[in-house]
Amino acid sequence: DSGVTQTPKHLITATGQRVTLRCSPRSGDLSVYWYQQSLDQGLQFLIQYYNGEERAKGNILERFSAQQFPDLHSELNLSSLELGDSALYFCASSVAAGAREETQYFGPGTRLLVL
Amino acid sequence: SQKIEQNSEALNIQEGKTATLTCNYTNYSPAYLQWYRQDPGRGPVFLLLIRENEKEKRKERLKVTFDTTLKQSLFHITASQPADSATYLCAWDTGGFKTIFGAGTRLFVKA
Repeated sequence: DSGVTQTPKHLITATGQRVTLRCSPRSGDLSVYWYQQSLDQGLQFLIQYYNGEERAKGNILERFSAQQFPDLHSELNLSSLELGDSALYFCASSVAAGAREETQYFGPGTRLLVL
Repeated sequence: SQKIEQNSEALNIQEGKTATLTCNYTNYSPAYLQWYRQDPGRGPVFLLLIRENEKEKRKERLKVTFDTTLKQSLFHITASQPADSATYLCAWDTGGFKTIFGAGTRLFVKA
């Protein structure tokens, strides 16, 4: 158990809908990262937050947004969902600001299925 | 663009043998590489980190090497066991707080 929690575990929704994925980092970790993993794409970095502020952005679609709250939990919002958004979404956390040698601790993931 | 490549084919080996997985990178010189293990449907778990000035790193049955001339990292599991069967990912930072993961190599260890 990494100490990172994600809810829900599974999510089934329809195209065009909007969903929110939630992540609680390990106790004491200030950084939260979001990743998307689909069968044909591997693990893709979406976005990172550090202590409430956006720190780095990857290949995150404009339909997706995220935020980190004062209690350090984070939410990833996915809107206007398409079939291709079906994937595993992982949250990870690390102690500090994503210094180059920091280990990331991954949560169990949320499996999203868009029908 | 920066790229990290792993052998996408699965690796099948017999229990007790040494498994060797490869990670190649292009268009960038990472200061370090990380290796993670991922089981089906679960999040990756950190295993080892090796810096560019380190040729080799060991942890129990695991060994990682980093060859900046060949732009390659090798990940070895000695005396492999069926429980080592998983997907192994290599990752690097891009210098801008982004981490790039390879696609991973699936390892199957047969008893």
